[in-house]
Amino acid sequence: SAVISQKPSRDICQRGTSLTIQCQVDSQVTMMFWYRQQPGQSLTLIATANQGSEATYESGFVIDKFPISRPNLTFSTLTVSNMSPEDSSIYLCSAKDATNEKLFFGSGTQLSVL
Amino acid sequence: QKEVEQNSGPLSVPEGAIASLNCTYSDRGSQSFFWYRQYSGKSPELIMSIYSNGDKEDGRFTAQLNKASQYVSLLIRDSQPSDSATYLCAAERKDSSYKLIFGSGTRLLVRP
Repeated sequence: SAVISQKPSRDICQRGTSLTIQCQVDSQVTMMFWYRQQPGQSLTLIATANQGSEATYESGFVIDKFPISRPNLTFSTLTVSNMSPEDSSIYLCSAKDATNEKLFFGSGTQLSVL
Repeated sequence: QKEVEQNSGPLSVPEGAIASLNCTYSDRGSQSFFWYRQYSGKSPELIMSIYSNGDKEDGRFTAQLNKASQYVSLLIRDSQPSDSATYLCAAERKDSSYKLIFGSGTRLLVRP
């Protein structure tokens, strides 16, 4: 299965600042996605990261707040912009393994906004 | 109505018992279904996938799918304390999006 490296693993940020989360996959993948998991909640899909083009966002998420890049097949970034305490959450990168089409997750980024 | 629904639990079973976890989904376009296990503070880990009606067994785990009833279940035989975790059910549409929608998860507690 694909191994997904995500960094940073955690960060504490000030209100109004931005944080960029990086995701690197070690093998061939087809789709890449970004999820959010708020405390005690399940996973909410933020967007599909499309290679070389704009990400596809889910309802309630917008590009200005969560810009996403995917310059090649195995790397993607998610930026959380102009952060507020409501953005405190775990952000998870995920990717579909090209060999079995199953979805695997990175270790997550625990974000706390003060 | 949520797209994927699960009882939040906790479901408490004694060690060695069978744990039965259930999930319903609303989108009839969903064609693939997955069970993930998530330990506290960790990311989800894929444990089972099922694509067609019936049962699929893998070790102590059995996934069951009934598309007519829009129902998915996971049975864990000979439950161990190490199985204590939150189990997430996910459904995938086979349209161009290929995205997974997750249920809220069921917390399983296996008592020694």
